[in-house]
Amino acid sequence: DAGVTQSPTHLIKTRGQQVTLRCSPKSGHDTVSWYQQALGQGPQFIFQYYEEEERQRGNFPDRFSGHQFPNYSSELNVNALLLGDSALYLCASSPSPVSLQGQFFGPGTRLTVL
Amino acid sequence: DAKTTQPPSMDCAEGRAANLPCNHSTISGNEYVYWYRQIHSQGPQYIIHGLKNNETNEMASLIITEDRKSSTLILPHATLRDTAVYYCISSGSARQLTFGSGTQLTVLP
Repeated sequence: DAGVTQSPTHLIKTRGQQVTLRCSPKSGHDTVSWYQQALGQGPQFIFQYYEEEERQRGNFPDRFSGHQFPNYSSELNVNALLLGDSALYLCASSPSPVSLQGQFFGPGTRLTVL
Repeated sequence: DAKTTQPPSMDCAEGRAANLPCNHSTISGNEYVYWYRQIHSQGPQYIIHGLKNNETNEMASLIITEDRKSSTLILPHATLRDTAVYYCISSGSARQLTFGSGTQLTVLP
C-alpha cells in the first residue's frame, strides 16, 4: 500500500502565476482533504472533497479551488499566486467524510512563490 | 471545534515515558480528542483518538480526565525517532481538523 502520494514534491512559481498540485489517496479511501502549512505553524484546513464535490471549506479565498476525479484522486489549484501562498501543501485521505479513524497525510508539496 | 492548549516544548530521556499534556476545557460532549505528530519535513501522522475512555494502541496511550477537560498522551518508551511536533485536536469528527501550534517533543540520548 503506497499510502497517500503527492506530486510534485517541490515547486517554484512567481507571483501572479497559477499552480496545480496533485494527490492520490490511500487505497480504500474516498475522501480527500487539503491543508496549508506555513513555516513554523500547524496545518490549516483548506477544503474536503467527497464524491467529486467540495463538502467543507476552511477560511481560504476563492483563488483556492479543487477537483476530485472518479478514481478519488484530487487536485488543488491556486490562482494569482501571492508571496504568502508559500507553504507546504498537505493532502490527507480518509475512508469516509465522517470517519473517526483519523486522516492519513501525504508527504506534502513544498510551494515557493517568488 | 474546541480550542486546545499545549506546552510549546518538552524534553524526554530516551527509554523513559513521555507524557504530553493537553488542555481542552471547552470541549463539547460529542467532540473527540485526536493526537497527531509531525516529524520534521513529513506529513502529520495519526496516533490515537478517544471520546471519554482511556485508549491504547501500538503507538501510545491516551488518558482523558473524567471531566474531559484535559488529556495526556503517553509514549511508554520514547526513542530518538519519537522526536516530533505533537498536536492535540478536539473535533466532532475527523472531517475538518484544526491544528494548533503543538508541542515540540525532543527525545534526548
